[in-house]
Amino acid sequence: QSALTQPASVSGSPGQSITISCTGSSSDVGGYNSVSWYQQHPGKAPKLMIYDVSNRPSGVSNRFSGSKSGNTASLTISGLQAEDEADYYCNSYTSSSTYVFGTGTKVTVL
Amino acid sequence: QVQLVESGGGVVQRGRSLRLSCAASGFTFRSYGMNWVRQAPGKGLEWVAVISFDGSTEYYADSVKGRFTISRDNSKNTVYLQMNSLRPEDTAVYYCARPRVPLGDAFDIWGQGTMVTVSS
Repeated sequence: QSALTQPASVSGSPGQSITISCTGSSSDVGGYNSVSWYQQHPGKAPKLMIYDVSNRPSGVSNRFSGSKSGNTASLTISGLQAEDEADYYCNSYTSSSTYVFGTGTKVTVL
Repeated sequence: QVQLVESGGGVVQRGRSLRLSCAASGFTFRSYGMNWVRQAPGKGLEWVAVISFDGSTEYYADSVKGRFTISRDNSKNTVYLQMNSLRPEDTAVYYCARPRVPLGDAFDIWGQGTMVTVSS
């Protein structure tokens, strides 16, 4: 049950697009379309941003999009805004019927 | 409105036990599997455990297997986490989380969290 691998930090200027990767294995990310992404601001509970690889819950901006290729999932934030500055975590269902989170990525808006 | 409220956190000595509760409201609790997720101070999220809608199935992270037990009481709309043989590395904010749909794998409802501190 090793954590999925994410870059520690990603930054971009307002209006730019950034992409956060989430690398696992065929036992988790690569084996299931059950990848989700969470945004967490300091001191707050996580918020679901993407589910089932590429679906957005109601109320989440269409600036957020998700995709997957092989054992790597990705979250793209387009038109970066100051409010997007937060920590982001991926999550996947696993072949052991458990779940595993990514290591987390701090997004900084320059 | 849909809500999860955790309670039971506190400061406990190494080796002791603690039971967390998560009270649900605003949705048909008995239809959903429920999860516990934790976050150590300054660290990332760690999934801890899941229990099926009827309590018949449980799964755990390797880090807590054999020490923690998840359970639920559908008559009280509450899920529990019994934590035994606590270690300093169990120090974290513990969240309960509900999937977006009853058989889904994405957690869309989270509680506010309850802090557990294990002293050595």
